[in-house]
Amino acid sequence: SYVLTQPPSVSVAPGETARITCGGDNIGIKRVFWYQQKPGQAPVLVVYDSSDRPSGVPERFSGSNSGNTATLTISRAEPGDEADYYCLVWDGNADHWVFGGGTKLNVL
Amino acid sequence: QVQLVESGGGLVKPGGSLRLSCEGSGFIFSDYYMSWVRQAPGKGLEWISYISISSTYTNYADSVKGRFTISRDNAKNSLYLQMNSLKVGDTAVYYCARGFGETNSHFDLWGQGTLVTVSS
Repeated sequence: SYVLTQPPSVSVAPGETARITCGGDNIGIKRVFWYQQKPGQAPVLVVYDSSDRPSGVPERFSGSNSGNTATLTISRAEPGDEADYYCLVWDGNADHWVFGGGTKLNVL
Repeated sequence: QVQLVESGGGLVKPGGSLRLSCEGSGFIFSDYYMSWVRQAPGKGLEWISYISISSTYTNYADSVKGRFTISRDNAKNSLYLQMNSLKVGDTAVYYCARGFGETNSHFDLWGQGTLVTVSS
């Protein structure tokens, strides 16, 4: 089955740029979705179709996808961006979705 | 407003059964694929099942296949998850989630979750 690999944690200073990766076999040909989840809350979509941003999501959030790695980039990180981030893709061979293991973003 | 509300969670013994419900409101429930996603305490998200608009198609993660059954009643704007032969490892918050658009490409609306605890 398809596997997505994320780093367990990423740390960034306020105002700096955070990059969260999501690795998968030839993920560059897939549509990747990124969710932000804060403690006790349901996930919220922050990037869809690998690089598009839903309305209401700050422009500081962006995505890219190529080869075996998709990346969520958070520019000018703020303390309010501290959360867990998950990538999601559709595995057409298995007919089901796959989440990455999640990355905890620390802004400190 | 547009929302999903889960119910039915609780404490159950290993080997027991539980039925979760999810009611949608503020949108045309029968226009959307629906899924269940769970999250064990302190762990990541795990998709476990989806159902198509007319219930024609369903699928399950290997971890629950043969034990869980997804269903829906469009007349009641409701989604269900029948969970049998529950294991300690099924302990999690269970979210219902709406599939986006005709391609059902991702989840664009989530409920608040309902906690299922499997323990003796």
